[in-house]
Amino acid sequence: AQKVTQAQTEISVVEKEDVTLDCVYETRDTTYYLFWYKQPPSGELVFLIRRNSFDEQNEISGRYSWNFQKSTSSFNFTITASQVVDSAVYFCALIAVDTGNQFYFGTGTSLTVIP
Amino acid sequence: DSGVTQTPKHLITATGQRVTLRCSPRSGDLSVYWYQQSLDQGLQFLIQYYNGEERAKGNILERFSAQQFPDLHSELNLSSLELGDSALYFCASSAGGRDFEQFFGPGTRLTVL
Repeated sequence: AQKVTQAQTEISVVEKEDVTLDCVYETRDTTYYLFWYKQPPSGELVFLIRRNSFDEQNEISGRYSWNFQKSTSSFNFTITASQVVDSAVYFCALIAVDTGNQFYFGTGTSLTVIP
Repeated sequence: DSGVTQTPKHLITATGQRVTLRCSPRSGDLSVYWYQQSLDQGLQFLIQYYNGEERAKGNILERFSAQQFPDLHSELNLSSLELGDSALYFCASSAGGRDFEQFFGPGTRLTVL
C-alpha cells in the first residue's frame, strides 16, 4: 500500500527563519514520483517540484530546497529565510508508477510566517 | 494564470441532483487530472485522462464519471449528489507521459444542500 505522511499539521515561524517541512512516504514500487504543492490562502494549487525515485539529487530553487533520501523514505522541503508570502498549506504527494499511477497525498502542513 | 480554465467557479445544488464540471487544459497539454478537496477527506486524486483515454483512477465514486473529449477538454459528471460531495474540485493538466508537472485550474466549489 502507498502512503504519505506529513506529521506536522501546523508550523509557525518568524519571518527570515528557515523552516523544514517533513514528508515520509511508503511504497513498494521501485518506480515512483514525489511531489510538493503549495496552496496559498487564495486557494489555488501550485505545483512546486517532482522527483523520480531514481534521482536522489537534492534540488535548490531560490529559497526552496528539497532533500530526497530513499534510505529514510523522506522527501523534505526547506524554505530558507522565510517570507510572509510563503504562508500556505503545503502538500506532499506520491505516484506509484508500477501500481497504477495513482496520486497519494499527505494531509498537508499549514505554514504561517509571522512578520 | 495557469492557462487551465474551469467552469463554473461556484455551483450550488440539491441532494440527488446531477452536475457537470468542465475543464479546459493548457494549450498543448494532453493529460487532465481531477482532484477533490474537502475538509473531511483532504486532497484526493480522482482520475487522469491522457489524450482521450483513461490513464489512472483514484478514489472516484461510482456515482462520478469523467471523460476527455477529442478537443482535450474534460468533464467530470457527479450524480445522485450527497451532502458529503460538497468540496472544491480541481482540474490540472500536464504535457503527458511521464511529465507530471501539473498546472492547476482555479477549482469549482460545489455546495450540495
